[in-house]
Amino acid sequence: SYVLTQPPSVSVAPGQTARITCGGNNIGTKSVHWYQQKPGQAPVLVVYDDSDRPSGIPERFSGSNSGSTATLTISRVEVGDEADYYCQVWDSSGDHYVFGTGTKVTVL
Amino acid sequence: EVQLVQSGAEVKKPGESLKISCKGSGYSFTNYSIGWVRQMPGKGLEWMGIIYPGDSDTRYRPSFQGQVTISADKSIRTAYLQWSSLKASDTATYYCARSVAGEYFDNWGQGTLVTVSS
Repeated sequence: SYVLTQPPSVSVAPGQTARITCGGNNIGTKSVHWYQQKPGQAPVLVVYDDSDRPSGIPERFSGSNSGSTATLTISRVEVGDEADYYCQVWDSSGDHYVFGTGTKVTVL
Repeated sequence: EVQLVQSGAEVKKPGESLKISCKGSGYSFTNYSIGWVRQMPGKGLEWMGIIYPGDSDTRYRPSFQGQVTISADKSIRTAYLQWSSLKASDTATYYCARSVAGEYFDNWGQGTLVTVSS
């Protein structure tokens, strides 16, 4: 089955840029979606189709996808961005949704 | 406004049955699939299965096939996740979420915590 690998944790200072990677076999040929989950809350979609943002999501959140790695970039990080982030794809070969392992972003 | 409202937390004993619900509002319920996602304590997100309320077409992740049943009643805009015999390992928070274009989940329920303990 298709596997998405994320770093367990990323630490960043306020105002700096956080980059969260999501690795998968030829992931560049798939559409990648990203979710933010704060403690005790449901996930929230922050980026879909590699780089599009739902309404209400700040422009500070952006995405890219090429080759074997997709990346979620959070610019000008704020304390409120501290959360777990998950990438996700639709795996057509297995006919199911796949989530990444998750990355905890800590704002120092 | 699209909303998915899930039923409340449950505490059950091993071997008991359970059915939790997810009620949609603010959109055409029959035109979007509803997926279920498990999150075990301190762990990540796992997709369990999905149903298209328009025709009740249902698909399961292989590891959940036969372990749970997903259904929907479009007349009351509600999707369900049920177990016939719970195990302690079913302890988790379960989320329903609306699928867009069969690709991603744009709206999520608030989650239902299921605790199975003797």
